[in-house]
Amino acid sequence: QQQVKQSPQSLIVQKGGISIINCAYENTAFDYFPWYQQFPGKGPALLIAIRPDVSEKKEGRFTISFNKSAKQFSLHIMDSQPGDSATYFCATRGNTGKLIFGQGTTLQVKP
Amino acid sequence: GAGVSQTPSNKVTEKGKYVELRCDPISGHTALYWYRQSLGQGPEFLIYFQGTGAADDSGLPNDRFFAVRPEGSVSTLKIQRTERGDSAVYLCASSQGRGTRNTEAFFGQGTRLTVV
Repeated sequence: QQQVKQSPQSLIVQKGGISIINCAYENTAFDYFPWYQQFPGKGPALLIAIRPDVSEKKEGRFTISFNKSAKQFSLHIMDSQPGDSATYFCATRGNTGKLIFGQGTTLQVKP
Repeated sequence: GAGVSQTPSNKVTEKGKYVELRCDPISGHTALYWYRQSLGQGPEFLIYFQGTGAADDSGLPNDRFFAVRPEGSVSTLKIQRTERGDSAVYLCASSQGRGTRNTEAFFGQGTRLTVV
């Protein structure tokens, strides 16, 4: 199966700091790159997504940076808050709508 | 309901038994996906339905796993002769239409399956 490699596995950030999570993918046919947020006992929920025709997308405190030539994309969480503590998954999606997820990053924001 | 509903939320079964996991997608969503999430891992694709038909079942690990969606709405994931390695959270997601444009996938809360 096509892989999506995510790093770091875990991240601890002080309240107000910037959280950065990185992902790398292999298949250039993917055309949609979402980030999902998952709280314990819940299903993943879409946080923000980008298509490969743009290099950056910002929604509130969340920004995706996309580097098509390097086949990498990252999530930046500005002014991180304790309520952002969760597991974050990057994913890629091909033409059937099937999502391929990274391994996840557990974020802890300390007050 | 407003979201994707999965039942039961938890299921404990003995090794060798048969189990069924149910998914009620968002009303009107024609695409339905099953994923499996092992502890500490990202969800892994199992099967995709477009309407009543399985458009992609390439993620089903073996022939003990089977899924149906007879009326194009509710889906059931069926696991025969369960093994301890089947223990995981089984997630269902649904989205509008086919293809990739403007088709966000909405996930249910999952069914936690434990095989003892």
